[in-house]
Amino acid sequence: NAGVTQTPKFRILKIGQSMTLQCTQDMNHNYMYWYRQDPGMGLKLIYYSVGAGITDKGEVPNGYNVSRSTTEDFPLRLELAAPSQTSVYFCASGSDINTEAFFGQGTRLTVV
Amino acid sequence: AQKITQTQPGMFVQEKEAVTLDCTYDTSDPSYGLFWYKQPSSGEMIFLIYQGSYDQQNATEGRYSLNFQKARKSANLVISASQLGDSAMYFCAMKESQGGSEKLVFGKGTKLTVNP
Repeated sequence: NAGVTQTPKFRILKIGQSMTLQCTQDMNHNYMYWYRQDPGMGLKLIYYSVGAGITDKGEVPNGYNVSRSTTEDFPLRLELAAPSQTSVYFCASGSDINTEAFFGQGTRLTVV
Repeated sequence: AQKITQTQPGMFVQEKEAVTLDCTYDTSDPSYGLFWYKQPSSGEMIFLIYQGSYDQQNATEGRYSLNFQKARKSANLVISASQLGDSAMYFCAMKESQGGSEKLVFGKGTKLTVNP
């Protein structure tokens, strides 16, 4: 079982560049989430989605965009990368409120 | 406002002893779920245990148990018989429903160190 797959695992961006972090899940989960984790800190919710075509802002959405055209995919777009976006990004998916969220392995992003 | 509060940045425990990691939460939603995750130094997020707001009994999973005190809005994780491999970051999280959508929010975590 693949579960939640994130690509790439590592990336270095220059200030002002843009990129898309890919996330796909094969568990037919409706709920998907994007988090960032700064060094030594907890996870902050960037965006989330409760189903295809529906997205909502989390705690720290500025500088990011998402889309959810299919149940499986939930890409996170960074426009005009800034050093403050240096972080580890986690994608997660879940079926409902009574079950756990499954996490991808994370993407370590450095903006220089 | 902080939804999930973990007041212990770091905890130390001797191998084979029990340890309690604190978590308090804030929500006005009657239906919510509480989770604990473990993050070892390798970085992956590992689900440990879940407690639903309507569950009458405290959740248990092997050496992990959740001390759920609804009136106090606390959901502390108890690890019995600590092992060296339990050394990791531990995160408390809450799923809540708002306006038909659900989101999962995390606390800042507690770093547990198990000493031999």
